[in-house]
Amino acid sequence: EVQLLESGGDLVQPGGSLRLSCAASGFTFSSYAMNWVRQAPGKGLEWVSSISAGGGSTYYADSVKGRFTISRDNSKNTLYLQMNSLRAEDTAVYYCAKNGAGDSGKSYYFDSWGQGTLVTVSS
Amino acid sequence: DIVMTQSPDSLAVSLGERATINCKSSQSVLYSSNNKNYLGWYQQKPGQPPKLLIYWASTRESGVPERFSGSGSGTDFTLTISSLQAEDVAVYYCQQYYSTLTTFGQGTKVEIK
Repeated sequence: EVQLLESGGDLVQPGGSLRLSCAASGFTFSSYAMNWVRQAPGKGLEWVSSISAGGGSTYYADSVKGRFTISRDNSKNTLYLQMNSLRAEDTAVYYCAKNGAGDSGKSYYFDSWGQGTLVTVSS
Repeated sequence: DIVMTQSPDSLAVSLGERATINCKSSQSVLYSSNNKNYLGWYQQKPGQPPKLLIYWASTRESGVPERFSGSGSGTDFTLTISSLQAEDVAVYYCQQYYSTLTTFGQGTKVEIK
């Protein structure tokens, strides 16, 4: 059974930094591209970033480009999201999601999701 | 970016009746080289992460009840729940993955009438 467990969410001040982690199990982590998707309170889904299976290709939404960095450690079956220069509008539940197809980093459909971790940006 | 627009924003359907949700993309998500529509549907219940229902516009994910079906091509797509059950109360999202920057519709809330 695929399991994705996010951690690292917290209350942080505007301009601050945070690193999210997603521990994966139940599948061959190194064979799949992975994604971060966020959901602001009471709002819809917004894709944030994706990374190829090997980690060599990354993609970002315009709203986070230059501030967030996605990475992965295939030896630890873990996905990361380094979040810098945080803004109030980054407040959201952040989900880790597995690509249902493809390993290139391009997002496809997401066939497994974690439970999410809450990031709150406020002074 | 490809904009995904769902309609309606919400709908109330009686138990056992059909629920239909529409999704329109601002440009075609049909990839001509493989004749596949890069379109997925998700269900999200309160306090839970989204769950994949349909991918490639009409392929049902393993374990998803047969009452859920997807149709459409190009820019216009539909998710149909043939006989609404109480456990289907949720918000439903469409997603295009044709573009490198994947985008979601705004969501449609389905309730019991």
